[in-house]
Amino acid sequence: EPEVTQTPSHQVTQMGQEVILRCVPISNHLYFYWYRQILGQKVEFLVSFYNNEISEKSEIFDDQFSVERPDGSNFTLKIRSTKLEDSAMYFCASSGAPKNTGELFFGEGSRLTVL
Amino acid sequence: RKEVEQDPGPFNVPEGATVAFNCTYSNSASQSFFWYRQDCRKEPKLLMSVYSSGNEDGRFTAQLNRASQYISLLIRDSKLSDSATYLCVVSSGGSYIPTFGRGTSLIVHP
Repeated sequence: EPEVTQTPSHQVTQMGQEVILRCVPISNHLYFYWYRQILGQKVEFLVSFYNNEISEKSEIFDDQFSVERPDGSNFTLKIRSTKLEDSAMYFCASSGAPKNTGELFFGEGSRLTVL
Repeated sequence: RKEVEQDPGPFNVPEGATVAFNCTYSNSASQSFFWYRQDCRKEPKLLMSVYSSGNEDGRFTAQLNRASQYISLLIRDSKLSDSATYLCVVSSGGSYIPTFGRGTSLIVHP
């Protein structure tokens, strides 16, 4: 069964450092997402990506964040100058629906710990 | 007002029990509704979509009430393996970005 894969599974970084989280969506999917979940809290939408550009972003997704699809298969989330409050699980998801219906396929997540 | 609200629980039930969760949403223009399941420290996984006419998948039944803006999930004959957090997800408006509720925790005990 096709799956979304994410790397790294866990990253520990110092405050102020840059991190890049990587995702390989399901190959024939067209819509890609990043969500985050702070421990004990709800899953929060960060950004969606379609046709090689951002289609929607939340208020959380400020200038500290950026996304790229550098090579047609990988989908990356870059966090510049990390803060303590960026510590969370970051989930990548993809959807194949022509118009997203909410049927998302999630990767196993990347746990980011900022010290 | 929160977009998607759920009772966080936990709901603590014995094996074999029937348990129901509700979820309310604030956007009357919401188009798509889902229940996801999330195990501890794992990714959310789609449990079932929720259709206007209601739908059933084995022991799970989902209902949508557009007038009152809530959806429900009924689990019959609970199993120990049903222990998880159940996330209500709603997609609204032209962007159709899935919005998650905080989840309802279910603990099924022997």
